[in-house]
Amino acid sequence: AQSVTQLDSQVPVFEEAPVELRCNYSSSVSVYLFWYVQYPNQGLQLLLKYLSGSTLVKGINGFEAEFNKSQTSFHLRKPSVHISDTAEYFCAVSDQQAGTALIFGKGTTLSVSS
Amino acid sequence: GAGVSQSPSNKVTEKGKDVELRCDPISGHTALYWYRQSLGQGLEFLIYFQGNSAPDKSGLPSDRFSAERTGGSVSTLTIQRTQQEDSAVYLCASSLSPGGSPSKNIQYFGAGTRLSVL
Repeated sequence: AQSVTQLDSQVPVFEEAPVELRCNYSSSVSVYLFWYVQYPNQGLQLLLKYLSGSTLVKGINGFEAEFNKSQTSFHLRKPSVHISDTAEYFCAVSDQQAGTALIFGKGTTLSVSS
Repeated sequence: GAGVSQSPSNKVTEKGKDVELRCDPISGHTALYWYRQSLGQGLEFLIYFQGNSAPDKSGLPSDRFSAERTGGSVSTLTIQRTQQEDSAVYLCASSLSPGGSPSKNIQYFGAGTRLSVL
């Protein structure tokens, strides 16, 4: 079984500052890793994914994440945030067997202020 | 369609009534998932459909919950005798085709149905 821990429930930052949202996972098998973003009253939008290959993955809106197998982490980063990045961010994992459900972390609320 | 479509977007019901929530997946996607998002429990898997195979119901919280998928496309999640603890956002996701290329396993989500049980 897998589990996901998002270490920060809330992250307040000022506009144009860098941000890192932390995610750690546990699994006994190889996994796929995802970050989803949820804006108020909307569904989940895929931000980026790690499926295989390069451990540094780039996503939409200038976000990137690095898969670290030894530390079982998949932290999300952005060098300079905008007010519009204010949203809830979910880290998720699934094992590499076809058709398995996503296991989500509890989410991190990113609040960007001017 | 362009994306996963869910209806209604909001549903208010009285305790004890039955409700039906609908999901229309992305055209051509063979896999369909239901999740529940609630304040206390976060995002939880409910049920998974793949083609004509028997669904994976392992996430359904009680026998009051059921789902079907007709013609391999549209799915309906039914909650019977609703309770206040059923209040949550119910999210549907679809993926192209589990197995094969990993990219085909990526799940795309609808906007959800917000269920309020009074």
